[in-house]
Amino acid sequence: GAVVSQHPSRVICKSGTSVKIECRSLDFQATTMFWYRQFPKQSLMLMATSNEGSKATYEQGVEKDKFLINHASLTLSTLTVTSAHPEDSSFYICSARISGTGPNEQFFGPGTRLTVL
Amino acid sequence: GNSVTQMEGPVTLSEEAFLTINCTYTATGYPSLFWYVQYPGEGLQLLLKATKADDKGSNKGFEATYRKETTSFHLEKGSVQVSDSAVYFCALVRGSTLGRLYFGRGTQLTVWP
Repeated sequence: GAVVSQHPSRVICKSGTSVKIECRSLDFQATTMFWYRQFPKQSLMLMATSNEGSKATYEQGVEKDKFLINHASLTLSTLTVTSAHPEDSSFYICSARISGTGPNEQFFGPGTRLTVL
Repeated sequence: GNSVTQMEGPVTLSEEAFLTINCTYTATGYPSLFWYVQYPGEGLQLLLKATKADDKGSNKGFEATYRKETTSFHLEKGSVQVSDSAVYFCALVRGSTLGRLYFGRGTQLTVWP
């Protein structure tokens, strides 16, 4: 149980296009999902906290108009990288917290590798 | 504020060697502490956790003890295997932050046969 999936696992796009990444909790409901970004050989940087039915909370320095987050249901959150540029190339990882439980119950997706040409 | 400091890698060991990866933290209140492991090209997997002082988390031969007096949560394994090669992240969460994890920088472990 407690599986989180991400789709796609890899995406290559041209500069200026938009890319949507999906994060799904497969067998549980997730009121809260988190989006992280990881550069090569570095730690995870929290980008935003996504709450079902409300606006996402972005970390300082993260452009909310560039990284659009939608958490329309208890099992799905999406991250859209708008007008992507090569510097947006990174590994994006989501995590989901099981609704109604403490902060310890959090599970990670396998990540999405974005390459912008 | 909340932060996690990990020993910098990379760490290179021979198979069956003893492993220690140091982790110290700064947090207000009483955080829960975690070790996550990331294999190449994959997301993070929870390795072990401890939710209160003096708790010992253990899994797959790895152990870490929550030491409040030294604000530490060092990861240890008595005999590493080649399959343990991965990046290890120490992290904390505070109850008031609704699950937000604070990660250390990660430590790359390579085990040679």
